Amino acid sequence: AQSVTQLDSHVSVSEGTPVLLRCNYSSSYSPSLFWYVQHPNKGLQLLLKYTSAATLVKGINGFEAEFKKSETSFHLTKPSAHMSDAAEYFCVVSDRTGFQKLVFGTGTRLLVSP
Amino acid sequence: EAQVTQNPRYLITVTGKKLTVTCSQNMNHEYMSWYRQDPGLGLRQIYYSMNVEVTDKGDVPEGYKVSRKEKRNFPLILESPSPNQTSLYFCASSFKGQGLYEQYFGPGTRLTVT
Repeated sequence: AQSVTQLDSHVSVSEGTPVLLRCNYSSSYSPSLFWYVQHPNKGLQLLLKYTSAATLVKGINGFEAEFKKSETSFHLTKPSAHMSDAAEYFCVVSDRTGFQKLVFGTGTRLLVSP
Repeated sequence: EAQVTQNPRYLITVTGKKLTVTCSQNMNHEYMSWYRQDPGLGLRQIYYSMNVEVTDKGDVPEGYKVSRKEKRNFPLILESPSPNQTSLYFCASSFKGQGLYEQYFGPGTRLTVT
């Protein structure tokens, strides 16, 4: 069975400071991992994905994530937060058995203050 | 423009009155899925479809039905809605490919059952 744990329900940062959103996963098979972002009253947008190529994955809007198998982690980072980054972020795992089921974490709400 | 569309976007209904939420994609994706989003729970899969006439239950299928008669459409049917089905619903689609492809999400349908 697969699962993801997002370690923080809320993260608050100041504009211009680094962002770290933490995610740990569990998967019986070699996983695919995704980060999605949901802005208020909007749908979900893919930020980045890991599918066993490079372990450091770069996404849109300056975000990146590093796959660490030894730590079963896939943390999302950004060097400098912008006000427009305020949103809810979901870490998602999908196994590769062919069923393409996505398992979502419970989400981390990122708050950015001026 | 490649997109997933859902209708209606907002719906308020009463207990027991049958309703259908439509979902359509224009990307020729084989895989389609329905999720519900509830505070603190992330997104949970209701039903999914690997192709036309092929559907299966997700994690929370009780009280829902789906059909896949055409590749582009995947309606969600609530035959007798109850207040515990008040939620935000998302339709998603992707190419079939063992978890390697990201899913594209519709804008969401906010359903309130009184």
